[in-house]
Amino acid sequence: AQSVTQPDIHITVSEGASLELRCNYSYGATPYLFWYVQSPGQGLQLLLKYFSGDTLVQGIKGFEAEFKRSQSSFNLRKPSVHWSDAAEYFCAVGGPDKLIFGTGTRLQVFP
Amino acid sequence: ETGVTQTPRHLVMGMTNKKSLKCEQHLGHNAMYWYKQSAKKPLELMFVYSLEERVENNSVPSRFSPECPNSSHLFLHLHTLQPEDSALYLCASSQDQRSNYGYTFGSGTRLTVV
Repeated sequence: AQSVTQPDIHITVSEGASLELRCNYSYGATPYLFWYVQSPGQGLQLLLKYFSGDTLVQGIKGFEAEFKRSQSSFNLRKPSVHWSDAAEYFCAVGGPDKLIFGTGTRLQVFP
Repeated sequence: ETGVTQTPRHLVMGMTNKKSLKCEQHLGHNAMYWYKQSAKKPLELMFVYSLEERVENNSVPSRFSPECPNSSHLFLHLHTLQPEDSALYLCASSQDQRSNYGYTFGSGTRLTVV
């Protein structure tokens, strides 16, 4: 079955600290992988995506993610978190015509 | 401004009302989507339109009726809703339905059914 798991429902970090948000997936073929961010009252904004090639992908707002096929993971990272990064983050997996979303991880940032 | 505009932003309706949600994109995309976002649940894909033709309908109750008059506009007509239909309804578009380069989402309509 195709699925996406974001194990952490809620993460709290201090401003300036590093961040890693976990995403694990189950997908029958080589997946398309995405991370989206949702600020309160807003829709989802695409942070980055992976289709093929270099397994470390760079996105907007200083985020990066690494595709690890052996671990079926696509974790999102940022070396130094800013207060404005507080939001909900969604991992999504799919093929050319389908997208499956995880349940999201809410990030809280303390000054 | 994300390129996908949804109106209204907020909607409160009674269970006997009829209302419509509107989505508009001028990105030149050929595919449009309706998603339902409820608390603590994954986004639920409701409908997919490709080149104005409905290509997917994920077992959505008939009280939700989509309409895509052209590739830039998508509507979701609502009637006799239930309180459990209260949620954030998100519209998204993509270049086309068969090449997934990522979706562009609108800001959503927060629907409350009373």
